[in-house]
Amino acid sequence: DQQVKQNSPSLSVQEGRISILNCDYTNSMFDYFLWYKKYPAEGPTFLISISSIKDKNEDGRFTVFLNKSAKHLSLHIVPSQPGDSAVYFCAASAARTNAGKSTFGDGTTLTVKP
Amino acid sequence: EAQVTQNPRYLITVTGKKLTVTCSQNMNHEYMSWYRQDPGLGLRQIYYSMNVEVTDKGDVPEGYKVSRKEKRNFPLILESPSPNQTSLYFCASSPSTSSYNEQFFGPGTRLTVL
Repeated sequence: DQQVKQNSPSLSVQEGRISILNCDYTNSMFDYFLWYKKYPAEGPTFLISISSIKDKNEDGRFTVFLNKSAKHLSLHIVPSQPGDSAVYFCAASAARTNAGKSTFGDGTTLTVKP
Repeated sequence: EAQVTQNPRYLITVTGKKLTVTCSQNMNHEYMSWYRQDPGLGLRQIYYSMNVEVTDKGDVPEGYKVSRKEKRNFPLILESPSPNQTSLYFCASSPSTSSYNEQFFGPGTRLTVL
């Protein structure tokens, strides 16, 4: 039972355009969500997070949107740059009820073409 | 430099030969965790530790052991490795025991069990 799903294994966009990465979850107890970026031969690095009490969080070119009723979140990157090419993981936790456990999605490989 | 280190980075071993992958962080973080990454399955949590001498199972703990005798170290032990434990392993740490915090990942250990 995969509780966090990223249904698009890959995404290709042109430099300067918007990249939208999607993530769906099934566990209604999840209350904190994070996005990580991973380059080849490196560990994931934190990108941006959002608490379930919010529906949007922005950090520079990166914005995460949360739709709790749909159990869906998305990461928007505007404008996309070639250096954004990486694997992006969505992660979720039920911090109030099960602090310590983290559930990750499969990842989406983003390619930004110059 | 603040970092999470893992050793070895690459390991090829044979079925049944006990091995330990070390993980160390120099950020005085309370929380540490182990993940494995497999194609199509994303990152799956093996074990985590909220503090010294406190460890808990993640989603895929079978075949693994951990210990947290010191704050900075969190070794992953495979008592009798099997081919299905061939994977890319990541150690991570976080400053807080709450899940409302980003995790800092090590560079990964690629393990092959023949």
